[in-house]
Amino acid sequence: NAGVTQTPKFQVLKTGQSMTLQCAQDMNHNSMYWYRQDPGMGLRLIYYSASEGTTDKGEVPNGYNVSRLNKREFSLRLESAAPSQTSVYFCASRPSGGRLETQYFGPGTRLLVL
Amino acid sequence: AQSVAQPEDQVNVAEGNPLTVKCTYSVSGNPYLFWYVQYPNRGLQFLLKYITGDNLVKGSYGFEAEFNKSQTSFHLKKPSALVSDSALYFCAVRDVGDYKLSFGAGTTVTVRA
Repeated sequence: NAGVTQTPKFQVLKTGQSMTLQCAQDMNHNSMYWYRQDPGMGLRLIYYSASEGTTDKGEVPNGYNVSRLNKREFSLRLESAAPSQTSVYFCASRPSGGRLETQYFGPGTRLLVL
Repeated sequence: AQSVAQPEDQVNVAEGNPLTVKCTYSVSGNPYLFWYVQYPNRGLQFLLKYITGDNLVKGSYGFEAEFNKSQTSFHLKKPSALVSDSALYFCAVRDVGDYKLSFGAGTTVTVRA
């Protein structure tokens, strides 16, 4: 049981390049999330998917797109990277609510945009 | 709308002393409250949560937190801090009627030997 996995771990891009961050979970969770972490700002939600086939914008969606490929996978795409997107990106998943309520996080992807 | 405030950027304590990390929240409905810890270059690890029931919640590594509805607070506590508790701590809240989790800015805890 690997939990939440993310690839790649590190990435350097030039301004204008595109890339896709991959996330997968093997816990059969319905909901998945993408966050970015910047110093002094905590984690900010980029996009989330409440269930397979649905996605919604979070606090900071501009410059990003997502795909909920199936129940396991939720990818984040930067179509034209900008230096402001330099950050650490975390994927998370969550089971249905009630007492199971907890978000589980992946190890993160460090992205540097030059 | 929901939000979380962690009023202290940094908390410094001596090993063996009590540790408190403060958190206040704002939600329109009933809150689900969480504490996470992040060690350098790692993801977030779940510590504890309040969903319903007892206001005092016990979690991993000897941490506990008390839900105080009247003060809208959920402070994290540990009776005797260890050097290994040095890390970045995040409080988070989710309104029962929402899918999204809102995080505080984080508090860096340093425990000196």
